[in-house]
Amino acid sequence: DVQMTQSPSNLAASPGESVSINCKASKSISKYLAWYQQKPGKANKLLIYSGSTLQSGTPSRFSGSGSGTDFTLTIRNLEPEDFGLYYCQQHNEYPPTFGAGTKLELK
Amino acid sequence: EVQLVESGGGLVQPGRSLKLSCAASGFTFSNYGMAWVCQAPTKGLEWVASISTGGGNTYYRDSVKGRFTISRDNAKNTLYLQMDSLRSEDTATYYCARHLTGSSRVMDAWGQGASVTVSS
Repeated sequence: DVQMTQSPSNLAASPGESVSINCKASKSISKYLAWYQQKPGKANKLLIYSGSTLQSGTPSRFSGSGSGTDFTLTIRNLEPEDFGLYYCQQHNEYPPTFGAGTKLELK
Repeated sequence: EVQLVESGGGLVQPGRSLKLSCAASGFTFSNYGMAWVCQAPTKGLEWVASISTGGGNTYYRDSVKGRFTISRDNAKNTLYLQMDSLRSEDTATYYCARHLTGSSRVMDAWGQGASVTVSS
């Protein structure tokens, strides 16, 4: 199985700041990486897939980059609703595998 | 509005069975592949199984192969997960998820989850 390593595991920031979350695959997954947001009491939300394609409804302050084994989710000009857990997931092959998550907290 | 509502979770003894259901609405269920994803307490997300639009193709993670069965009833807009020979390590919240059109490994809509606890 492809192992996904996310960093950092925790991140503290203030509204208006920009943050980046990294995800590294144990082998090349081409461009096939997705990012999800998880918040208590809400359904998990797909943000980005295929590395950089924004899912419908994802604000433009979110962006994804990378290919091969190294990927980055960047959130610019943080809004209060952006705080929560973020997961990366490779969708290049079965089984789809997730990173351990990054908790984005309010500083 | 896309809605996925899981049911059937609960407390079950090791070795017993449980069947989860997921009622779908707000979209043409038969046009989408579907999946189950789980999350153990305080842990991350873990894909469990997927099924194609017509049900003819199914995929499982190794740890549940031979124990879990994913199925669907397109006439009832419902997805199922039959869980047999349950183990303590199967304790988790199980999410029903819809696959993104054109990608059988991306989940673009999720339910709120059903909690499964395996304990004696």
